[in-house]
Parts: sequence; C-alpha cells; structure tokens
Amino acid sequence: QITLKESGPTLVKPTQTLTLTCTFSGFSLRTIGVGVDWIRQPPGKALEWLALIYWDDDKRYSPSLKSRLTVTKDTSKNQVVLRMTNMDPVDTATYYCAHVNWNQVVIDYWGQGTLVTVSS
Amino acid sequence: QSVLTQPPSASGTPGQRVTISCSGSSSNIGTNAVNWYQQLPGTAPKLLIYTNNQRPSGVPDRISGSKSGTSASLAISGLQSEDEADYYCAVWDDSLKGWVFGGGTKLTVL
Repeated sequence: QITLKESGPTLVKPTQTLTLTCTFSGFSLRTIGVGVDWIRQPPGKALEWLALIYWDDDKRYSPSLKSRLTVTKDTSKNQVVLRMTNMDPVDTATYYCAHVNWNQVVIDYWGQGTLVTVSS
Repeated sequence: QSVLTQPPSASGTPGQRVTISCSGSSSNIGTNAVNWYQQLPGTAPKLLIYTNNQRPSGVPDRISGSKSGTSASLAISGLQSEDEADYYCAVWDDSLKGWVFGGGTKLTVL
C-alpha cells in the first residue's frame, strides 16, 4: 500500500525559503521506473506541476520555476525534499507530493497535501 | 493559462451521460498517454483513468476515457450525485519535459 505525506511550515514570510518534506511508504526510490513529483494548487485554482525526481536521481523542474526549485531524495529515509526560494504571496497553495509510475507514465498516488500560506 | 484546455464547467442530471474534453498539442497529448483525476472538495486528486482509457482497480466501468490526435475525453455515464467534483486531465509534455495539467472542469449534478 503506497502512502505519501507532506510536512513543513504552514506559514512562511515573503522572501523566505520554503522546505517541504515528503515521507512515503509502500515503495522504494531505488526501484527502476519510480519517481516522486511535487505539485501545487493555489486556493480555487488548477494543479501546477513543480518538480520530479527519478529513481536514478535525475531531476526535472517546471521551466517557469526552475531557478527557485531544488528537489533531493534520501532513499534510506524514504523521503524527498523540495526547496523553493524567494517565496511570494502568489506561492500560497496546497503542496502535494505524489508517486510516479514511469513505466505507465502516470502519477498514481497522491499525498494529502499541505497548505502553505505566504504572508508577512 | 493551462497548457491543456478543458471546459471550466459541465453539468448533467442523475442517470445522464456527460463528457469532458481536454485539448493539447503534438508535444503532449499527440505523443503521450493521457491521465484523468477526480478531486472532491477539500481532498487530494484521485487517479480515475490512466494510459488514455485504463481504469485503476475500484473505478467503476461507467467511467471511461478516450484519445484521438491531440485531444482526449472523459465520459461519465449513469451520473450520480457523488460524481460532483473537479476533473483534471494530465499528460507528460516532451517539449517542456514535465507534466502539464488542464485547467480543471467542475462537474455539477443537477
């Protein structure tokens, strides 16, 4: 049974760096064809993909946010960390991490999400 | 502005059939398989259809997906009140080298 859960601050100030941790179970990031995504959703708006880290440590970032994002993994802890620099109120959103089955090219399991508010 | 285009809303009465469209381009839908998600209020998205027309275990067969060229569709027949939700299409984009999502369609059961 695959589960993921996001953790981190619920409130950050403008210009600060956001660090979110995704802790997962039921799969390993050592397995070929597995990845973990970060996706966000501003209140009342659509889903927006942020970043993807693959089993082989290859990484992909949203072109519009690439300069602000860093994704890393700790395979021994079953965790993936997302860092986003220079936070702005427009970055207020629910942030999700999700399991990627690259063999089927599908995001198939999602965490519950964590709401991050950017405000001074 | 989302890369994939969906109608913002759709509606139907109980028992009816509703379709939701998703339009993309040659670098995404034209090349790769489309996935669909259902998002109930206040919850995370749930996978509804993968690889254009495959249903995960537990998704009823009154829900189906299709793809043609650079467009895809989600169909829900025998509409039920519990189908009232937001629906998103998603696909890998080879040019952007990342996932792209539709803007979402809010389905209302009248």
